[in-house]
Amino acid sequence: AQSVTQLGSHVSVSEGALVLLRCNYSSSVPPYLFWYVQYPNQGLQLLLKYTSAATLVKGINGFEAEFKKSETSFHLTKPSAHMSDAAEYFCAVSLNAGGTSYGKLTFGQGTILTVHP
Amino acid sequence: SAVISQKPSRDICQRGTSLTIQCQVDSQVTMMFWYRQQPGQSLTLIATANQGSEATYESGFVIDKFPISRPNLTFSTLTVSNMSPEDSSIYLCSAQFTGEGGDTQYFGPGTRLTVL
Repeated sequence: AQSVTQLGSHVSVSEGALVLLRCNYSSSVPPYLFWYVQYPNQGLQLLLKYTSAATLVKGINGFEAEFKKSETSFHLTKPSAHMSDAAEYFCAVSLNAGGTSYGKLTFGQGTILTVHP
Repeated sequence: SAVISQKPSRDICQRGTSLTIQCQVDSQVTMMFWYRQQPGQSLTLIATANQGSEATYESGFVIDKFPISRPNLTFSTLTVSNMSPEDSSIYLCSAQFTGEGGDTQYFGPGTRLTVL
């Protein structure tokens, strides 16, 4: 079975400050890992994904995440927050092997990012 | 990337009625999924919509309550049957694409359902 834990349901930063959203996963096999963003009253947009290639993954809007197997983590960062980054962010894991669980995404509880001037 | 649309975008329904949500993908995909997002919560997988066979439901979800159709490789429907206020949620469909860098799920905009 796989699971995801996002530490901190709410994160608040100042505009221009570093954004760090934490995600830890549990998986019995090598995982695929994803970060999605959900703006108010909208669906989910893919920010970036890790699929066993480079451990440092760059995504859209200046976000990046680093896969650390030893720490079972996939934290999301952005060097400088912008007001438009205010949204809810979801970390998700899926298995990268075949079988009945293949393709299923398990989501973390989400982190609401607030950016204040 | 992919374009995934859902209809309706939102609806307000009466207790005891049913609502069918449509999901259209702009290209053929093997795997489509349906998720539920209850108010203030994360996404939970309802089922995998399999083309040409019955959907595969997750624990806690049953076909009588959430019948799913998948008539072809670009389209799926989810019906929420005999609704109660507890069914008020956002329902999202997703489609899995295989490409460079592995498999990726893209999501539709969601259907916001309120049951009175």
